[in-house]
Amino acid sequence: DGGITQSPKYLFRKEGQNVTLSCEQNLNHDAMYWYRQDPGQGLRLIYYSQIVNDFQKGDIAEGYSVSREKKESFPLTVTSAQKNPTAFYLCASSIRGSEKLFFGSGTQLSVL
Amino acid sequence: GDSVTQMEGPVTLSEEAFLTINCTYTATGYPSLFWYVQYPGEGLQLLLKATKADDKGSNKGFEATYRKETTSFHLEKGSVQVSDSAVYFCALSDKGQNFVFGPGTRLSVLP
Repeated sequence: DGGITQSPKYLFRKEGQNVTLSCEQNLNHDAMYWYRQDPGQGLRLIYYSQIVNDFQKGDIAEGYSVSREKKESFPLTVTSAQKNPTAFYLCASSIRGSEKLFFGSGTQLSVL
Repeated sequence: GDSVTQMEGPVTLSEEAFLTINCTYTATGYPSLFWYVQYPGEGLQLLLKATKADDKGSNKGFEATYRKETTSFHLEKGSVQVSDSAVYFCALSDKGQNFVFGPGTRLSVLP
């Protein structure tokens, strides 16, 4: 079945540590997105990528980095510069220019 | 910039009750409007959409009408079920270039 796979489902970060969240899709979608979800708030865009080897900052990119070396993969690194990383992270993809987003099941990141 | 406002939750209803979740938006252009649903521990799924004024989106008994004059896209369902318990997000998109989500409204349906 086609879809988006996020891993791990739960992740813990120690102070000063970088962690990487995985997002893989087999939908052949061009565009991929990372959102952050905090309780009681809507989704906030961290980074997005419309094509391989190109990505753009979203509204809250500080403290995060991404890469897009392959069409099907869009990993997100939460760096030590992100002082409040505890949140639910959602990856999404779409056909470029399409208005329908497909979401993964999310990764819950917590700080130890 | 563009924004989406939703009624604050949580909303608690008894099974078979009528549901309305209000959504209003601010946008400079003519966006498409969406409702997404998130079940516990999962990502969001598209519930319905409308792409122009007076369009009605519908799915699984849920409906919403794109009202340009009131900049609204209220979600309704005539008879809710326990399985409808989830968080509902109103969202807009400008031709697929920019997605803006509301804060979400948690719905709990009691048997």
